[in-house]
Amino acid sequence: DVKVTQSSRYLVKRTGEKVFLECVQDMDHENMFWYRQDPGLGLRLIYFSYDVKMKEKGDIPEGYSVSREKKERFSLILESASTNQTSMYLCASSLGRGQTNPTLGYTFGSGTRLTVV
Amino acid sequence: AQTVTQSQPEMSVQEAETVTLSCTYDTSESDYYLFWYKQPPSRQMILVIRQEAYKQQNATENRFSVNFQKAAKSFSLKISDSQLGDAAMYFCAYRREGAQKLVFGQGTRLTINP
Repeated sequence: DVKVTQSSRYLVKRTGEKVFLECVQDMDHENMFWYRQDPGLGLRLIYFSYDVKMKEKGDIPEGYSVSREKKERFSLILESASTNQTSMYLCASSLGRGQTNPTLGYTFGSGTRLTVV
Repeated sequence: AQTVTQSQPEMSVQEAETVTLSCTYDTSESDYYLFWYKQPPSRQMILVIRQEAYKQQNATENRFSVNFQKAAKSFSLKISDSQLGDAAMYFCAYRREGAQKLVFGQGTRLTINP
């Protein structure tokens, strides 16, 4: 069964800490995404990557960075966690332009609920 | 920028009845794709149904169907014979042709009453 795996389901961190959220996919997808989910706001794109070492800012990149050193792994980094970054974080992957059937949607991980105290 | 609006934060329906979730979107593009995703309490987002804008025929997947009105920029999801397992958050999403990212609506929480 193909999947996207997020390393933590729940995470509690202190203000000012550097936080790493990890995501791994086993589908050889070119694209990987990090979204943030908040009630009433839906899912908002933080960053995405369309290839190893390539990244693009999404709609709300401030306070975040990402790393993609290998095709299957995409990390979201909170350089200095703040309470307004308390949220659900969803990782997703999809086929890229160079792959067949690019019209298909995403495959999602199960989310990491991050609380910053 | 493209936007997706789900104007119903919450909906409820009796088991076995039919419910329709609304979605509107704003775009100047003519070629794009629309999706409905379901997020149950397990948090695992599941693709329910998708529609290519160039297709006039509405997509159908078993008990799930859409009413795609391109001119009105409307994409509603109809769930027939509602089941308890349909209880979830439902998100409408848009992707323009050639783009890699999805734009999501705010979500609608669907409750099924037994």
